[in-house]
Amino acid sequence: NAGVMQNPRHLVRRRGQEARLRCSPMKGHSHVYWYRQLPEEGLKFMVYLQKENIIDESGMPKERFSAEFPKEGPSILRIQQVVRGDSAAYFCASSPASGREYFGPGTRLTVT
Amino acid sequence: GESVGLHLPTLSVQEGDNSIINCAYSNSASDYFIWYKQESGKGPQFIIDIRSNMDKRQGQRVTVLLNKTVKHLSLQIAATQPGDSAVYFCAEEGALSGTASKLTFGTGTRLQVTL
Repeated sequence: NAGVMQNPRHLVRRRGQEARLRCSPMKGHSHVYWYRQLPEEGLKFMVYLQKENIIDESGMPKERFSAEFPKEGPSILRIQQVVRGDSAAYFCASSPASGREYFGPGTRLTVT
Repeated sequence: GESVGLHLPTLSVQEGDNSIINCAYSNSASDYFIWYKQESGKGPQFIIDIRSNMDKRQGQRVTVLLNKTVKHLSLQIAATQPGDSAVYFCAEEGALSGTASKLTFGTGTRLQVTL
């Protein structure tokens, strides 16, 4: 049973470009969460999604960030017009309807 | 606001000794806590969890203690090994609508195991 998969593992973008981060949850998991981690800090919640629905986006910046979890395919975290402050590790986690979260290996975004 | 925090940012332990990592939480309504281990370049890995109706839970070489009176959580690792070197996070589950919940993480403690 494959774990949570994220790609790419490393992503380099220039300021102003768009970043797309993908997350495939574990088989049978219908809940997806995105977290951001700055160096030497804990993970900060961004958004919680179920298939085709955003349940809680209280941790998402108001502008430039969006997330989706379509009926088919992976969940996507999209960052438009990236700035240097967006450089971080972005982790996806998935869970069944009730149960603990399993984390993916993360995508490390570097904005130059 | 509600938060989860750790007392010690770095802990050095000799191989074979026991390690104790502490965590304080402020939301007295929290009822579920998890400890994660994060190695360099990897995602958080579940270690052990505990619900608020318990004060102790044991796993393989790890024990979590919960003191609800002082809102304190600790992770004990017995016979610490070099492979235990990592950053350890406590996390609190915050309730959302429905059955699944987001996690609020502490800032982490780096465990360094010396030979």
